[in-house]
Amino acid sequence: TAGITQAPTSQILAAGRSMTLRCTQDMRHNAMYWYRQDLGLGLRLIHYSNTAGTTGKGEVPDGYSVSRANTDDFPLTLASAVPSQTSVYFCASSDSAGGNSPLHFGNGTRLTVT
Amino acid sequence: GQNIDQPTEMTATEGAIVQINCTYQTSGFNGLFWYQQHAGEAPTFLSYNVLDGLEEKGRFSSFLSRSKGYSYLLLKELQMKDSASYLCAVSNSNYQLIWGAGTKLIIKP
Repeated sequence: TAGITQAPTSQILAAGRSMTLRCTQDMRHNAMYWYRQDLGLGLRLIHYSNTAGTTGKGEVPDGYSVSRANTDDFPLTLASAVPSQTSVYFCASSDSAGGNSPLHFGNGTRLTVT
Repeated sequence: GQNIDQPTEMTATEGAIVQINCTYQTSGFNGLFWYQQHAGEAPTFLSYNVLDGLEEKGRFSSFLSRSKGYSYLLLKELQMKDSASYLCAVSNSNYQLIWGAGTKLIIKP
């Protein structure tokens, strides 16, 4: 089934440790996104990529980095995790970066930083 | 600033009709989206409005008034499986998506 795969599904991480959240899509979408979702808040954009080889900062980029070496993969790295990064992380993709294409979301990674 | 307002929670009865409102203040407008998100799952796309008026898609309809900065999602013939959060998102002049916090819809038998 075509779509977006995220891994891991959940993770408990000690503060100060690093971690990479994986995201792979098989829809050949140009644009990919990383969001975090916290209770009572709207989805907040961390980083995005309009096309392979390019990335950009979203609303809350501090403490996170991304890369887009190819069309399919868009990993998110936490270099040194802090408790405020406890959240549910969603990777998403869209056919175009124009902002009027629907987003397709992965099933999310639930991260707890202790 | 830019913001999207939607009610935090609504309750409705199975078989009834419910309207979920969304008001927005953004820097420009390039379309409004509605997504459905079941608890513990990913958001899924429901509808997209860029022109004023009503878009109907089965039991779900979405309305937009750009002059009023207002949209609503109308769900008819409610089913228990419609219990979910409904997210409103606006694409602004820079084509950035601004998200509301979502409306949790509880369906009672």
